[in-house]
Amino acid sequence: SQQGEEDPQALSIQEGENATMNCSYKTSINNLQWYRQNSGRGLVHLILIRSNEREKHSGRLRVTLDTSKKSSSLLITASRAADTASYFCATLQETSGSRLTFGEGTQLTVNP
Amino acid sequence: EAGVAQSPRYKIIEKRQSVAFWCNPISGHATLYWYQQILGQGPKLLIQFQNNGVVDDSQLPKDRFSAERLKGVDSTLKIQPAKLEDSAVYLCASRPLPRGRNTEAFFGQGTRLTVV
Repeated sequence: SQQGEEDPQALSIQEGENATMNCSYKTSINNLQWYRQNSGRGLVHLILIRSNEREKHSGRLRVTLDTSKKSSSLLITASRAADTASYFCATLQETSGSRLTFGEGTQLTVNP
Repeated sequence: EAGVAQSPRYKIIEKRQSVAFWCNPISGHATLYWYQQILGQGPKLLIQFQNNGVVDDSQLPKDRFSAERLKGVDSTLKIQPAKLEDSAVYLCASRPLPRGRNTEAFFGQGTRLTVV
């Protein structure tokens, strides 16, 4: 079963705008990770946030984690057409033998 | 360092035929995952290895799917016989440490399987 659920399923914005994607999960986790997937390709890791962290930044990416609500958000600032891709959150549960479980993803389209 | 290698990249077979996918993880990575990704959906975990032992195969359809990891390195995933609903991208990923560390997974490019 899928652990994470992303919201929205699809997002279309103009270049320069910010994009926010949300992820909710069901069980306790060790960390939450965000991945990007271009059409027809493998997944690329973007950022990892540990369960004891609340916010993390990497370049134009900002990730927040609220373990009490079992939710996370990914913010991409000043979006570019090259950011067009699918974005997935994944939760790591060490109690399940380091199981890495993905959500259904958000399809982001950035229009030039 | 070299990434996760998968082959073949594409495969078209008829239903009821057999197919095998191969994965070579990053050297030294103890954990290896196989995922099935149906078009428009997120990756679904099929099986997870730690070295050459199975950690989790709860979502593997064992009547038709099998997987092994030879000497804790390369892995193969087999489908026999294939069904139309097996059409998907099969992704292999590896992770450096089995537990206790906050590390990401590294993915191969995947094998796109079409069953006709």
